Amino acid sequence: DAGVIQSPRHEVTEMGQEVTLRCKPISGHDYLFWYRQTMMRGLELLIYFNNNVPIDDSGMPEDRFSAKMPNASFSTLKIQPSEPRDSAVYFCASSMTDTGANVLTFGAGSRLTVL
Amino acid sequence: AQSVTQLGSHVSVSEGALVLLRCNYSSSVPPYLFWYVQYPNQGLQLLLKYTTGATLVKGINGFEAEFKKSETSFHLTKPSAHMSDAAEYFCAQKRAGNAGNMLTFGGGTRLMVKP
Repeated sequence: DAGVIQSPRHEVTEMGQEVTLRCKPISGHDYLFWYRQTMMRGLELLIYFNNNVPIDDSGMPEDRFSAKMPNASFSTLKIQPSEPRDSAVYFCASSMTDTGANVLTFGAGSRLTVL
Repeated sequence: AQSVTQLGSHVSVSEGALVLLRCNYSSSVPPYLFWYVQYPNQGLQLLLKYTTGATLVKGINGFEAEFKKSETSFHLTKPSAHMSDAAEYFCAQKRAGNAGNMLTFGGGTRLMVKP
């Protein structure tokens, strides 16, 4: 398996523009997570899905952020409109239900810069 | 609320010296505990995990961690640091209750290895 695949790896955009980050989880994994990493706040969980259904989105900063998982092999995180404070590395991770060991496999991340 | 505390956001050691990265967790029930490593411009990779059984857990690259319930600690050690160990390390615990596969991460410790 190629692991968790994220695109784009780098995105530079101007304030006010729409940004869409994409994630392909590992085949067979039924959990998908979106994290944001910044120097100031560390790793923050934004939202996670189980079997394509959003379970907890309490970490989503505000209405400008939205996430979807239309099928088991694809998820998007959208920011509209983007702001400079959204600049961060966004990670997607996936895992499989098991007896509780919950090993998350992370993608390489999407580095977003909003000017 | 559960939390994971990593003491020291930056740790510097000389090559060949002992590596000790500290992690304390809070959980009212026996937790599942993890250490992840993040190399520059990459996603997080699992180093090791503790679920049940033996309290000393061995991971990849010569790292190990010991679960100490009495101290609520899960410190990461390596007898002899190598230049390639320079990275950021994250301790994490599984959230209790019906939170699925969610992990709570510590703030991270950046390990620097001096020649």
